[in-house]
Amino acid sequence: QVQLQQWGAGLLKPSETLSLTCAVYGGSFSGYYWSWIRQPPGKGLEWIGEINHSGGTKYNPSLKSRVTISVDTSKNQFSLNLKSVTAADTAVYYCARGVFGVVFIPYYYYDMDVWGQGTTVTVSS
Amino acid sequence: SSKLTQDPAVSVALGQTVTITCQGDSLRSYYASWYQQKPGQAPLLVIYGRNNRPSGIPDRFSGSNSGNTASLTITGAQAEDEADYYCNSRDSSGSLFGGGTKMTVL
Repeated sequence: QVQLQQWGAGLLKPSETLSLTCAVYGGSFSGYYWSWIRQPPGKGLEWIGEINHSGGTKYNPSLKSRVTISVDTSKNQFSLNLKSVTAADTAVYYCARGVFGVVFIPYYYYDMDVWGQGTTVTVSS
Repeated sequence: SSKLTQDPAVSVALGQTVTITCQGDSLRSYYASWYQQKPGQAPLLVIYGRNNRPSGIPDRFSGSNSGNTASLTITGAQAEDEADYYCNSRDSSGSLFGGGTKMTVL
């Protein structure tokens, strides 16, 4: 059974860089899309970005200028860097595995079927 | 970029049927996936694709898609179904979530 385990610093000061890593255990790394999602306190889910096993990335346009997602296939890990953080970046951050499929052409589906446990990140001076 | 719109809250009597909807242009190309989130927990996939349930999800959960609208239906809601529900789809920029619907079981 595939499991995602994530870790990283939980307390940052404004202007610092948030760094989180997610490790994939018990399953293949290739053929999937690996995402980061966050949830500010009391608010909804926000997709941050994704990477595939080949290193191709997509980012949320609202965060694109500050986000980098990278992959280390030798370790089955992927990482999130978010630079110049502010209090607005305070959130629970999740990693997740994404799967694409075809319902029937031209309709597709995408789901995130495995999630990490979440990491609480607080930005405070 | 695209947007997915959900009603903020819905309530249902125990054992009754409730439908949660999600609207957005991206749903014309990508069927919605649906996630259940309980307080302090990571989201859990409950519906994906045309109307598929991951292993372990009760068959009282079902999904449908028509045009720019996706729906999640819970037939015979149970107390343990009380949670926040999020739809998800994709557009040219990547993935996106609806704002979430808080479901209360009365």
